[in-house]
Amino acid sequence: EVQLVQSGPEVKKPGESLKISCKGSGYSFTTYWIAWVRQMPGKGLEWMGIIYPTDSDTRYSPSFQGQVTISADKSISTAYLQWSSLKASDTAIYYCARGNGDYDANWFDPWGQGTLVTVSS
Amino acid sequence: QSALTQPASVSGSPGQSITISCTGTSSDVGSYDLVSWYQHYPGRAPQLMIYEVTKRPSGVSNRFSGSKSGNTASLTISGLQAEDEADYYCCSYAGSRVVFGGGTKVTVL
Repeated sequence: EVQLVQSGPEVKKPGESLKISCKGSGYSFTTYWIAWVRQMPGKGLEWMGIIYPTDSDTRYSPSFQGQVTISADKSISTAYLQWSSLKASDTAIYYCARGNGDYDANWFDPWGQGTLVTVSS
Repeated sequence: QSALTQPASVSGSPGQSITISCTGTSSDVGSYDLVSWYQHYPGRAPQLMIYEVTKRPSGVSNRFSGSKSGNTASLTISGLQAEDEADYYCCSYAGSRVVFGGGTKVTVL
């Protein structure tokens, strides 16, 4: 079974750093893109960026460029999303998803279960 | 990069058909036949319902269908059922990036 399993919920203070993970299994991790998607409380889905684990080619949405870092460790089939200095506005559920498509990664399946990040003083 | 425009809510009675629109621009929806749709129940992972405008993944009911005309894509749910009550998001490739719609809440009356 193809699946993505994300790390557990996090509660952090403003200014702290954080790295959450997404582990793929059941498929060749290096041959598919992994995307990160944010859902703020009561809001919709926002595409943050994507990484190709084979060579760590990474693309960011302009809204998230410089705000987060996406990385991957292909040796353990895991992608990461990290912040160097969290803000309260980073409170959200973060999903990872496998990117598919003959023409670039344009559809996403499966998705991880989501990681709730709460940033509060 | 602006989100694609979806109606905030759509409702219908059981058995009816509803259509959710997704309007983008000539830089995304209008340029590529690469629109996908996701069903999302709160607290659960989103599920792919349609990809590349009209294709349906195995396991997804044939009551779900997709189409596109110009800068607007659409998702139609026929034979509406109570279990279809959820949030639905469109998504379009936009040249090395992807953009989601704002989401539509589907209510089954």
